[in-house]
Amino acid sequence: AQSVAQPEDQVNVAEGNPLTVKCTYSVSGNPYLFWYVQYPNRGLQFLLKYITGDNLVKGSYGFEAEFNKSQTSFHLKKPSALVSDSALYFCAVRDMVDSSYKLIFGSGTRLLVRP
Amino acid sequence: DGGITQSPKYLFRKEGQNVTLSCEQNLNHDAMYWYRQDPGQGLRLIYYSQIVNDFQKGDIAEGYSVSREKKESFPLTVTSAQKNPTAFYLCASGGIYEQYFGPGTRLTVT
Repeated sequence: AQSVAQPEDQVNVAEGNPLTVKCTYSVSGNPYLFWYVQYPNRGLQFLLKYITGDNLVKGSYGFEAEFNKSQTSFHLKKPSALVSDSALYFCAVRDMVDSSYKLIFGSGTRLLVRP
Repeated sequence: DGGITQSPKYLFRKEGQNVTLSCEQNLNHDAMYWYRQDPGQGLRLIYYSQIVNDFQKGDIAEGYSVSREKKESFPLTVTSAQKNPTAFYLCASGGIYEQYFGPGTRLTVT
């Protein structure tokens, strides 16, 4: 079955330090992978995606993600965290079983950046 | 939140009443989606539509209904058959590479 796992419910990091939010996936074939961010009582905002090509993907707000096929991972990273990065982060993979373009989401990771 | 609008932002209903949530997009996307978000459970797909006048059930369609009479609009009705309707509802539209989300509607049923 296709799935996405975000093993950490919460990640805590000090402002200015690097951050990593983990994501692993299980799909048939080549994955299409996505990261979204959600601020309280708001919709999801698209951060970045991996479709093909370079394993290091750069996205919005200084975030990047590294695709690792052998480890089936797509971890989100940022070299220097900001307090304003505190939010809920979702990893998603496109459902490859049919042509619906559905996304399968992880359970989310809450990032807390302390001043 | 791009070109997707959801209304209202907050909605309160009594148990046993049907309620319809609005979703409109001006991004010219063929596909539209409805998700339900509960604390700690991520997003679960309720219904989706790839073209006008056609839609498919997602993972948790029971107690919900939708229509797609226009490309721009994909309203969701939460019926009295939905056992636990209190949640945050998110509408999205998109294509092959990504989905864009609306701001959400928080439904509270008492």
